[in-house]
Amino acid sequence: DAKTTQPPSMDCAEGRAANLPCNHSTISGNEYVYWYRQIHSQGPQYIIHGLKNNETNEMASLIITEDRKSSTLILPHATLRDTAVYYCIVRVGGGATNKLIFGTGTLLAVQP
Amino acid sequence: DTAVSQTPKYLVTQMGNDKSIKCEQNLGHDTMYWYKQDSKKFLKIMFSYNNKELIINETVPNRFSPKSPDKAHLNLHINSLELGDSAVYFCASSQDKGGEKKLFFGSGTQLSVL
Repeated sequence: DAKTTQPPSMDCAEGRAANLPCNHSTISGNEYVYWYRQIHSQGPQYIIHGLKNNETNEMASLIITEDRKSSTLILPHATLRDTAVYYCIVRVGGGATNKLIFGTGTLLAVQP
Repeated sequence: DTAVSQTPKYLVTQMGNDKSIKCEQNLGHDTMYWYKQDSKKFLKIMFSYNNKELIINETVPNRFSPKSPDKAHLNLHINSLELGDSAVYFCASSQDKGGEKKLFFGSGTQLSVL
């Protein structure tokens, strides 16, 4: 089972920031938080990942709370092309058998 | 250049047939995966290979047989196809490093069993 919980859906106005929350209250100290998105009919796309510190790249920013039990993915200026299902993932298992389990994700609908 | 490529993109076949899906990655990654996405859009891991060795088998029926001839290829053969096998199958690869696992996915193969 996925170790994260996310709201099933969110709306955002085009040009505004989209803030997608994720809870991962059982995360272990050495586990990363990953964010992927899946645009309709395409393969999942890596967005960003982090361990403790906030991270930023050309696609998004990742804010992780100090206790690491939750995080927020921020798309600073959402466009219509950002409409997708966003998955927040924490690795499950250890050693060679660790894996990324996708939950149900958040469907972000960017409105014109 | 496509990093993770799968063929075919679409596959329509009759129940009981045997079919294969091919996957290749040119990223130099050591680990490759097969994921299945059903009609309810749940993405489930099926298999994982590391350097041609099977690492993860998520209780997939033995009608599904992955084969990795080298670390850049992971093919999926399915025997005696059933209606419930209809789904989108995604191949992925990663180069795990210090606990980090960043997956790159192919564009998927939509399998329809009639």
